[in-house]
Order: sequence, then structure tokens, then C-alpha cells
Amino acid sequence: KAGVTQTPRYLIKTRGQQVTLSCSPISGHRSVSWYQQTPGQGLQFLFEYFSETQRNKGNFPGRFSGRQFSNSRSEMNVSTLELGDSALYLCASSLGGSQPQHFGDGTRLSIL
Amino acid sequence: GEDVEQSLFLSVREGDSSVINCTYTDSSSTYLYWYKQEPGAGLQLLTYIFSNMDMKQDQRLTVLLNKKDKHLSLRIADTQTGDSAIYFCAESITGGGNKLTFGTGTQLKVEL
Repeated sequence: KAGVTQTPRYLIKTRGQQVTLSCSPISGHRSVSWYQQTPGQGLQFLFEYFSETQRNKGNFPGRFSGRQFSNSRSEMNVSTLELGDSALYLCASSLGGSQPQHFGDGTRLSIL
Repeated sequence: GEDVEQSLFLSVREGDSSVINCTYTDSSSTYLYWYKQEPGAGLQLLTYIFSNMDMKQDQRLTVLLNKKDKHLSLRIADTQTGDSAIYFCAESITGGGNKLTFGTGTQLKVEL
């Protein structure tokens, strides 16, 4: 069974640009969550989608948004990029409920 | 509120047991998880325990939960060099959906 796939693995952008990250969950998983990992703040929850609906949201500005498609694939968008948005963005999928989350290898975003 | 704490570093000799500790503050935790992160990779789910359990064993891994002290530990028996990584504990909160709150991570170094 294929794991969680995130594309691209690496991205370099400049301040003010926007970026879209993609996540394909494990087959059959309907819940997709996104996390940001930085050396200073650690792992922080961004949002969760289940059956195309945002079910939970972390404490991030509105520049961070996401969506989920009918096949459970999810995208995350960050607009007006800032230097502080440089991070590893991790996607996780699960069956939902209290089932454990399985993570992809992440997208490393660097802002110049 | 949600707060998960871990010690930052642990160094052990190959073949010894490693014990990684974690404390959490939210008494309504549903599940508690241990993840492993190797350089350049995402998070690998190692094991998890439901908050009404005291112990769970899975091959070389033993998880102990002390609900009174809100203390979680992960014991790795016969630690190998391949176990060198960062280990994160995480909790999910009752009614919090799939949101995980992570600790700061413990860097385990296994020496020959």
C-alpha cells in the first residue's frame, strides 16, 4: 500500500509570492491534516480536512488555506509569502475518528 | 490547555535500553503517540496508546503511561545505531478531531 505522497519535495520562493503544496493520502483515508515544522516553533497543526470539509484549524493567519478534493487529495496554499514561512510542511492522513495519522516526507519550503 | 514536554537529548550505548520521557498537561487526552523522525524525512508512527491503558509492548518498544502524573515513556530495548533519530510524543484531545499536539522532540544518539 502506498504511503502519503507530498509534492514537490523542495520549493524555493521569494517574499510576496504564493505557493501550493499537494498531498495524496493513503488509499481509503479520508482525513488529511497539515503541520508546519520549524526549528523555533517545532511541529504546529495547521488544519484538518475530512470529506472535503475543514474540520479543525490551528492558529495561523488567513494567508494559510487549504482544500480537499473528492478523491481525498489535499492542497495547501500560502499567499504573500514571508521569510518566516520557511519550514518543512508535513501532511498526514488517517481513516478519521481516533485512528492514528501517517505522515508523508514533507515539502521543504525556503523563502528568499 | 495543551502542552507536551520532552527532554532534548539522550545518548546511549549500542545494546543498552533507551528511555525517552514525555509529560503532558491535558487530562482529556484520548490517544498518546510516539513518532520517529530521521534526517530529511517525515514522521514515522512507532506506536500509540489509548489513555485508559497503562502499558503497551510492541517488539522492542514498550510504552508506559502514568495517568496520575501525566507521564508517558518510550523504552527501546537493545538500542541500535539505526535507532538514532528524533523522537516525538504527541497527544490527541477528546473532541479535538485529528489535531495532534507535539512535544519538542528528543534527539537520541546511539554510540558504539
